[in-house]
Amino acid sequence: DAKTTQPNSMESNEEEPVHLPCNHSTISGTDYIHWYRQLPSQGPEYVIHGLTSNVNNRMASLAIAEDRKSSTLILHRATLRDAAVYYCILRDEGGSEKLVFGKGTKLTVNP
Amino acid sequence: GAGVSQSPSNKVTEKGKDVELRCDPISGHTALYWYRQSLGQGLEFLIYFQGNSAPDKSGLPSDRFSAERTGGSVSTLTIQRTQQEDSAVYLCASSFTGGHGELFFGEGSRLTVL
Repeated sequence: DAKTTQPNSMESNEEEPVHLPCNHSTISGTDYIHWYRQLPSQGPEYVIHGLTSNVNNRMASLAIAEDRKSSTLILHRATLRDAAVYYCILRDEGGSEKLVFGKGTKLTVNP
Repeated sequence: GAGVSQSPSNKVTEKGKDVELRCDPISGHTALYWYRQSLGQGLEFLIYFQGNSAPDKSGLPSDRFSAERTGGSVSTLTIQRTQQEDSAVYLCASSFTGGHGELFFGEGSRLTVL
């Protein structure tokens, strides 16, 4: 599985936008970019995924660089409930079905 | 219920005992995954089921660990002769398509081996 690189931690203030970066310079043409998050004492939950085009859903937006070597998860207005570890994961369309979780980015949201 | 259900939520056992952890996936989900998460660590993949078959068992750490799935539904993860390093939260997830389908995780089973 191709590797992703994320900052260990980030901090944000409540009601401000948050941009969580992810580098994946070895991404292949069939790799999808998935984001999950894990709130304290809970299992991970799906946030968003995309291939080439930017994606929006009710939780977040995913901005994918034109060369696909990096992407950014955007939380438009952070709330205290968004404090979690955010995982950026590549998943090959034709490969193993498992998700390989890295260390992720721990997001702290300040009131 | 609507989500992935795991039991027990907490299990304390003595070193050397066997334990069984159960996962009830979301109805209709064909794919089922087991992960474990040690304290303060990331998620470690254990095994993946598609239906009742396990095409990927690459994450099982030793032959003390085994898992089965019956009727394309419930799965049981068994740890024999537990060791203290087996202490972790064991997480189960299921998905509809098994390919790019969103994984839905349960709340996990916290195992403590004394």
